Formats: sequence, structure tokens, C-alpha cells
Amino acid sequence: SQELEQSPQSLIVQEGKNLTINCTSSKTLYGLYWYKQKYGEGLIFLMMLQKGGEEKSHEKITAKLDEKKQQSSLHITASQPSHAGIYLCGAVLAGGTSYGKLTFGQGTILTVHP
Amino acid sequence: DVKVTQSSRYLVKRTGEKVFLECVQDMDHENMFWYRQDPGLGLRLIYFSYDVKMKEKGDIPEGYSVSREKKERFSLILESASTNQTSMYLCASSPGLASTYEQYFGPGTRLTVT
Repeated sequence: SQELEQSPQSLIVQEGKNLTINCTSSKTLYGLYWYKQKYGEGLIFLMMLQKGGEEKSHEKITAKLDEKKQQSSLHITASQPSHAGIYLCGAVLAGGTSYGKLTFGQGTILTVHP
Repeated sequence: DVKVTQSSRYLVKRTGEKVFLECVQDMDHENMFWYRQDPGLGLRLIYFSYDVKMKEKGDIPEGYSVSREKKERFSLILESASTNQTSMYLCASSPGLASTYEQYFGPGTRLTVT
């Protein structure tokens, strides 16, 4: 099983709808990152969360890290076709090396129908 | 802007061939990483390097080796390519600890081994 679980694995929404993607671990998360990937391309950094209870927003995307630092959510408001892609969460898990090993979830494929 | 470049976007090799994947970053970053990405599995770390000539095994190093002779360049080597190494390979770099600094990704190399 994955150390970092994302849900759902895929999501199809109509343009204008809100949606949420979750990222969960049984271990404490240090440095939780959200990335977006267009199919067949590299990862684009969206946001980083470090503190329990932290919330950040950029345009119509909001990411939160829970108080226990074991779960993060990514929320998109009024989705647009430009939001389509693969969303990945990555984190340094408790017990990892200090040189920066990131563990990634398996990704969520988002499709937005116009 | 940080730029991470990879030598090829697409590569087709035959089983048993020796394959070199090159990655170059232009921001003087200490840390460099090689991942492979497969559907349903997310990104998995193959090797990383925190300094010139230094390397650490990631989660799936078997069948791979790496070389970092200069700070800006990190090479991934498949000594004898096999069909199960068909995958998307992503290189990344970061200036410091993953709990504090994001990783910057290259565009990826889609390798097919026939």
C-alpha cells in the first residue's frame, strides 16, 4: 500500500463545479507539496504547506493541512477546462532522511468537461 | 526562473542496450533527483544526490546507476535496459531540504524499451 494515499484516483466534473482532492498518510507530514502535471509533461509546483492548520490559496485553488499534519486537501472552486490534469501530493514523511526524500501519492486525474 | 532540462523527451531503446538519461539544472542547486512515474503508482524515487560525486539510493534503485561529476548535471544510467523499465523518467532539483524547499522538475523523458 502507498504511504501517501490520494483520493479519488480520478475525477470527472462539469465546468463550474467545485471539487476536492485528498491526500492522507498514517505518518506525520513535514513539508506537504501539491503539484499539477499536464499529460506527458513535468510537474508544476502549486503550493507548499508546513504547519498544522495551514491554508493557502492561489487563484481558485485552496490547499489545507490538518492540525495533526496527516491529511491535506486541495479544493478547486468553479473548475475550468484549464484545471484539467494530474494532481500529485508529495511530502517528507516522519522517519525520512534529512536530505530531502519526498514521497508522492499515486496522483488524481482530473477531467473538466466544458 | 529555475530551469531543469532533460536530454530527450522521447526515447526508444532495445532490450539489453545501455541507456543514458541526462539532466541539467541552471540554479546551482545542491540536490538532484531521478524519479520514474507509472500509472497508478505515482512518482517513485530511484536515486538522489546531495552533492557532487555523492549519491543515495531511493526506493527503487535496482537496475539503475547514477553519476554526478558536476553540480549542474545528474545522469541516470540503465546498464542493460529491460522492458519493465519502460516508463516516464522525471528529473528534479532543489536548493535544500525537502521539508522547506520545493523540487523543480524537468519536462520528463518517456522511455520505451522494446
